Amino acid sequence: GQNIDQPTEMTATEGAIVQINCTYQTSGFNGLFWYQQHAGEAPTFLSYNVLDGLEEKGRFSSFLSRSKGYSYLLLKELQMKDSASYLCAVMDSNYQLIWGAGTKLIIKP
Amino acid sequence: GAVVSQHPSRVICKSGTSVKIECRSLDFQATTMFWYRQFPKQSLMLMATSNEGSKATYEQGVEKDKFLINHASLTLSTLTVTSAHPEDSSFYICSAQVGSTDFSYEQYFGPGTRLTVT
Repeated sequence: GQNIDQPTEMTATEGAIVQINCTYQTSGFNGLFWYQQHAGEAPTFLSYNVLDGLEEKGRFSSFLSRSKGYSYLLLKELQMKDSASYLCAVMDSNYQLIWGAGTKLIIKP
Repeated sequence: GAVVSQHPSRVICKSGTSVKIECRSLDFQATTMFWYRQFPKQSLMLMATSNEGSKATYEQGVEKDKFLINHASLTLSTLTVTSAHPEDSSFYICSAQVGSTDFSYEQYFGPGTRLTVT
């Protein structure tokens, strides 16, 4: 079966760095997405990786290792507004998104 | 950037009535639109995939006669919840996919519709 695993919840301190991991097992691979979702709102796109390596975009970076079925989202200089759920999603061989359950990130002052 | 709107944002209806939710891509043509539902503290659950001018493809366990999807144009898809019941209360989110670019099949999400059935 297809499976996306990410931690349920993480806590970090304002100004610090946090890494949210995602491992996947899917039938085929056409890219991995990270989305941010604040409570009661729809997800917003953060990043897309289809090739191995690190993609940096401001305070957020996303890493992919296809051979290991592994990705992480790195958030630097954490701000209170970064408190949200972070969803990992993989596009399989049928170009369907397989979603992880999301990681709830709690930022403390 | 690509913008997707949903209407209404919130709706409360009585059990047994039907509710229509619209999803529009405002500044691009969407080859494919997706409908998701999300229960509190849970991830998105794909309900169906719709392509303009063709019948929607429903995920296993989703009743196509209860959740009617019409993708009339490249910028509009509608989801009608027929004979709604309290267990249909949920957050319904649509997304639109621009289609293939060199590397991305990114989905752009609408703001969601909170449905409460009393």
